[in-house]
Amino acid sequence: EPEVTQTPSHQVTQMGQEVILRCVPISNHLYFYWYRQILGQKVEFLVSFYNNEISEKSEIFDDQFSVERPDGSNFTLKIRSTKLEDSAMYFCASSEGGRGAGELFFGEGSRLTVL
Amino acid sequence: DQQVKQNSPSLSVQEGRISILNCDYTNSMFDYFLWYKKYPAEGPTFLISISSIKDKNEDGRFTVFLNKSAKHLSLHIVPSQPGDSAVYFCAASRTTSGTYKYIFGTGTRLKVLA
Repeated sequence: EPEVTQTPSHQVTQMGQEVILRCVPISNHLYFYWYRQILGQKVEFLVSFYNNEISEKSEIFDDQFSVERPDGSNFTLKIRSTKLEDSAMYFCASSEGGRGAGELFFGEGSRLTVL
Repeated sequence: DQQVKQNSPSLSVQEGRISILNCDYTNSMFDYFLWYKKYPAEGPTFLISISSIKDKNEDGRFTVFLNKSAKHLSLHIVPSQPGDSAVYFCAASRTTSGTYKYIFGTGTRLKVLA
């Protein structure tokens, strides 16, 4: 069964360092997303991406964050200068359709710990 | 601004009985709703969805009911099994406005007792 894969599964970094989280979405999907979950809190939308550009982003997704699809398979989230409050589980997701319809398929997540 | 709320943080049910998980939303523009199940250290897994043109959708042991006037949806699991023990999230979206995001509730931890 096709699945979304994410690397690394866990990354520990020092405050102020850059972090890149990588995702390989399901191959025939066209819409890509990043969500995050701070420990014990709800899953929060960060950004959606379609046709090589950001479709929508939340207020969390400030200038420290960027996304890229550098080739035909990878979808990356970069945090330029990490803060303590960026510590969270980051989930990549993809879907066949967009516009809020159709199920999202999530990866297993990348846990980011900022010290 | 909590647009999607799951007011019960946890629920315990005996194996074989019905589990009912509830979700309320405030934005009347939401027209597509999903339920996800999440095990620890894993990503959310899609369970079932419902469009606002329906009031019920069924898939095996899982049924989702939508009450648009009350802005309320519920997930029924019957019969409940120990493997259903997980955190359940409801999510909502607007399909008509060009938005691409789902708003998740805070989750309900279901424990099915053997």
